[in-house]
Amino acid sequence: GDSVTQMEGPVTLSEEAFLTINCTYTATGYPSLFWYVQYPGEGLQLLLKATKADDKGSNKGFEATYRKETTSFHLEKGSVQVSDSAVYFCALSERGGTSYGKLTFGQGTILTVHP
Amino acid sequence: DTAVSQTPKYLVTQMGNDKSIKCEQNLGHDTMYWYKQDSKKFLKIMFSYNNKELIINETVPNRFSPKSPDKAHLNLHINSLELGDSAVYFCASSQGGLWQETQYFGPGTRLLVL
Repeated sequence: GDSVTQMEGPVTLSEEAFLTINCTYTATGYPSLFWYVQYPGEGLQLLLKATKADDKGSNKGFEATYRKETTSFHLEKGSVQVSDSAVYFCALSERGGTSYGKLTFGQGTILTVHP
Repeated sequence: DTAVSQTPKYLVTQMGNDKSIKCEQNLGHDTMYWYKQDSKKFLKIMFSYNNKELIINETVPNRFSPKSPDKAHLNLHINSLELGDSAVYFCASSQGGLWQETQYFGPGTRLLVL
């Protein structure tokens, strides 16, 4: 079945540091890939997504590129802020009518940014 | 104006009780979902409805019964609550249940079974 593996956390960085959170996936088909973010005490919200190979999703300074050859979708940000402290989830949704948009999530990576 | 809302936000109850969680979306979406987040933050799909019809039913104990009275509402009823049911339950919605669509999540319902 489908699965998503994220780098283990927690990740602790100083403000303005460079961030990478690794994400690799296993899928039977050709999925869409997502990064969702969960701020403390809140629900998840979409950070960015990519629906086909070599697409780059970007939002709020975060970027991730859909790499089909390495089955990866690593999240990067050049300079993190304290306000980026949150839990980050990589997820996939299989293409095709029977998936109905079901999201398969990675285990989440807790990011803490210190001033 | 909240897009996906859930009630209650917190639910503390005893083992063996029956409880319900309600979800409403005002986005005009056709598809709604229930996810369970365990204590390690892992999220897993439970159910999905499209236009009031059940389309995803993962391996979930039959003590859990979703109900969709209309396409804007998806409720979750849990019978005979067990300690292992303690988790955060998230409702979500998407336009048509397609693989490339963004899902919009509610704020979650934190359930604690004592």
